[in-house]
This record gives sequence, C-alpha cells and structure tokens, in this order.
Amino acid sequence: GAVVSQHPSWVICKSGTSVKIECRSLDFQATTMFWYRQFPKQSLMLMATSNEGSKATYEQGVEKDKFLINHASLTLSTLTVTSAHPEDSSFYICSARVRLADTDTQYFGPGTRLTVL
Amino acid sequence: DAKTTQPPSMDCAEGRAANLPCNHSTISGNEYVYWYRQIHSQGPQYIIHGLKNNETNEMASLIITEDRKSSTLILPHATLRDTAVYYCIVRVAIFGGSQGNLIFGKGTKLSVKP
Repeated sequence: GAVVSQHPSWVICKSGTSVKIECRSLDFQATTMFWYRQFPKQSLMLMATSNEGSKATYEQGVEKDKFLINHASLTLSTLTVTSAHPEDSSFYICSARVRLADTDTQYFGPGTRLTVL
Repeated sequence: DAKTTQPPSMDCAEGRAANLPCNHSTISGNEYVYWYRQIHSQGPQYIIHGLKNNETNEMASLIITEDRKSSTLILPHATLRDTAVYYCIVRVAIFGGSQGNLIFGKGTKLSVKP
C-alpha cells in the first residue's frame, strides 16, 4: 500500500508555543490529505480536510486559526498548532486519499504525539 | 455518528481464525464497507473494502451478506501481532467529496492470545 510519513513522531513543548507537524506521501501524489486527532481511549476525530493549492476545510468545532493547515505541494501537508495549551495534548494523525479502480481509500501516517506542558 | 455497530471486544486464540462482525443495517446502495485497524499508538492501517461481493486480499477476507446489512472480517490465522482495534466504516465512494470522509466509531478491540 501507499506510504505516508509524519514528522516528528513525538514532541513536547511549553504552553504558548507553536508546533508544526509534517505529513508526507512518500510514493504517490495526494491532492487531498486529512488531519485527525485522537485522545486517550477514544476514537479518531476528523479535524480538517487539506486540499493541495486551496484552503483547508475544517470540521465543526475545530478552530481554523488555532490549527493552521498548509497543503503546499502534492506530497506535503503541514499542521501547525498555534499557541498550544495542555488541552491540545493529543495524538495527531494524517492520512492521504488514494484513488483505486472502483473507489478510493485513505492511507494513514504513524501519528505524532504532542504533549504540551 | 458512525453508521456501524461492532462488539466492543473479542478474544481469539493464536493460529485460529478471527471473525469480526459488523452491523450496518442502514447502508445505502452506493456505500462501501471499509475495514481499518489500529495497533496501539500507531496510525490506522487499511485492511480491505467491498461493495457487495466478497473480497479477499493478503491480509483478510470480507464477507458481505446478500442484503448488505452486515459483514464479517476474517483473519484466517490470527497472530499476536493482529491484536488491535478494528474499525468497520461505511462510506460513500465519491472521490474528492466530503461525503466520503471516513468517520470512525469505537471499533472492536481484538485480543489474540497465545
């Protein structure tokens, strides 16, 4: 299957700082990428859809000014958590949409664990 | 909300087949059934998908009932590394459309025991 990477795999930062997470499709081009968040013992929650060359579409309740998404190329999307606070500590996972013969699917990155002190 | 119902947990003996059920009684004619799994502290892994025919790949088999209201994911010879949360997801196959977003429910936690 297609490979999606994320960097960093984990990050610890102080409250009030900004953190950037990169998501790359390694062996294919992805016009659409997605960002999810997962709190402990909970399921994945979709935060936003990132489209190459256009603005991201955010899910209800997700602050677009706090979670900045940039999809500057067909292989890279970035999520910046601005002015991070302890409640932003979570597991952030990206995915990329891949077209198949009859439909499409999403391949996920390994995730980035963010801890805000 | 997720359109599927799965048991919260299941156990399976190593080397035996793991059969994970999923109920999707309100599935529409243009919706596919997808299965993903998430091993602890990793991103979800795509397993298989199907519309109405049974499907098989190197990882698993997907059996969809004739009325499409339920399906079963089969791992033919479960290993300890198959211990994970398995998600059954129903979605419309519209490439590029928001209707096709993956909505994750709570899944089934499969524990493969030696």
